[in-house]
Amino acid sequence: NAGVTQTPKFRVLKTGQSMTLLCAQDMNHEYMYWYRQDPGMGLRLIHYSVGEGTTAKGEVPDGYNVSRLKKQNFLLGLESAAPSQTSVYFCASRRDRGGSGNTIYFGEGSWLTVV
Amino acid sequence: SQKIEQNSEALNIQEGKTATLTCNYTNYSPAYLQWYRQDPGRGPVFLLLIRENEKEKRKERLKVTFDTTLKQSLFHITASQPADSATYLCAQERGGADGLTFGKGTHLIIQP
Repeated sequence: NAGVTQTPKFRVLKTGQSMTLLCAQDMNHEYMYWYRQDPGMGLRLIHYSVGEGTTAKGEVPDGYNVSRLKKQNFLLGLESAAPSQTSVYFCASRRDRGGSGNTIYFGEGSWLTVV
Repeated sequence: SQKIEQNSEALNIQEGKTATLTCNYTNYSPAYLQWYRQDPGRGPVFLLLIRENEKEKRKERLKVTFDTTLKQSLFHITASQPADSATYLCAQERGGADGLTFGKGTHLIIQP
């Protein structure tokens, strides 16, 4: 099993450009997440999805959009990239609701630089 | 709002000694806490989970404790090795919503 796969791994964007990060999981997990990680800030939740066709906002959703058209895929979009969105982005998934204590599986990260 | 606090300074430990990392939380006691390891350039990897009603959890050389009175979890690595060098993250469920809230992590360096 590949687990959680993110593409692309590295990308440089110019301010104002748009792009989409793709996350795919092969574990049949219901819940998927997008986090960003910045020095001194830790991991912060951008958006998440509790099932196919659903999305919800996390702590820092502004400037991002997401879609979950298929259960295995969770897309993160930047419509008009800004330098403040330079970060490492992590996708993650879990089997079902957190209350049962199940753990989260992370992808390897996508490094995005906006110049 | 609930916060997870970890010592952001690097922790240097001599090989063979026990490394102890601290995770403090504010306000309400979470139902459980999770610990993750993150290596440079990689995603976090789950290590251990401890529930509110558990005082201690062990896995090989790893031990986690949960003290609801002190609002604190301690993460121990016994007989530490240079390969244990990494950043360790503490996390808890976000109150009323999904996903985990992470601490900023503690960078552990095991010196030979």
